[in-house]
Amino acid sequence: QKEVEQNSGPLSVPEGAIASLNCTYSDRVSQSFFWYRQYSGKSPELIMSIYSNGDKEDGRFTAQLNKASQYVSLLIRDSQPSDSATYLCAVNQGRGSTLGRLYFGRGTQLTVWP
Amino acid sequence: EAQVTQNPRYLITVTGKKLTVTCSQNMNHEYMSWYRQDPGLGLRQIYYSMNVEATDKGDVPEGYKVSRKEKRNFPLILESPSPNQTSLYFCASSLGTDQPQHFGDGTRLSIL
Repeated sequence: QKEVEQNSGPLSVPEGAIASLNCTYSDRVSQSFFWYRQYSGKSPELIMSIYSNGDKEDGRFTAQLNKASQYVSLLIRDSQPSDSATYLCAVNQGRGSTLGRLYFGRGTQLTVWP
Repeated sequence: EAQVTQNPRYLITVTGKKLTVTCSQNMNHEYMSWYRQDPGLGLRQIYYSMNVEATDKGDVPEGYKVSRKEKRNFPLILESPSPNQTSLYFCASSLGTDQPQHFGDGTRLSIL
């Protein structure tokens, strides 16, 4: 069983704060990592993808990957109420018999209050 | 507009009555996948397809069938639906297994 664990929520931050979302994965050979945002009743939409160790920034979002420690995180700077959603971490091994498998965490619900 | 289209969006049906949820993408994507989403369990992969005529099981394939006869379509078939298949279903596609997936709007199935 390939496990993807996310920090248990819900997470609540004030507007303008930094929200930090964490995800750990069990399979060391994992290659591709994704963060999706899902509003209530809607489908997941991609926030960030990251493949190499280090940081990747896109606007207010920064994804951080540490393969040695098997974690990937998402930082949201200057959080806005519109960021209130459930954030899903997804991991793909990228090789072998599970090449096509994508494993999702259970999600962290974020609320940004004005 | 690039999109993944699922139909129907909502369906209430009864145990044992075969049903098909269609999924079509217009992005020429090689990879397609089906997920179900249940409260507290997150998204779980049912089946996926890396190319035409190539399908494989995900986490929870029992009670489901799929086919990939052409690149754009990937229907999900419930031959004999049961109440434990009541769920929110998503179809997704991507260029490849290591690429971000585009999700359809979802299909909410209720099996009575």
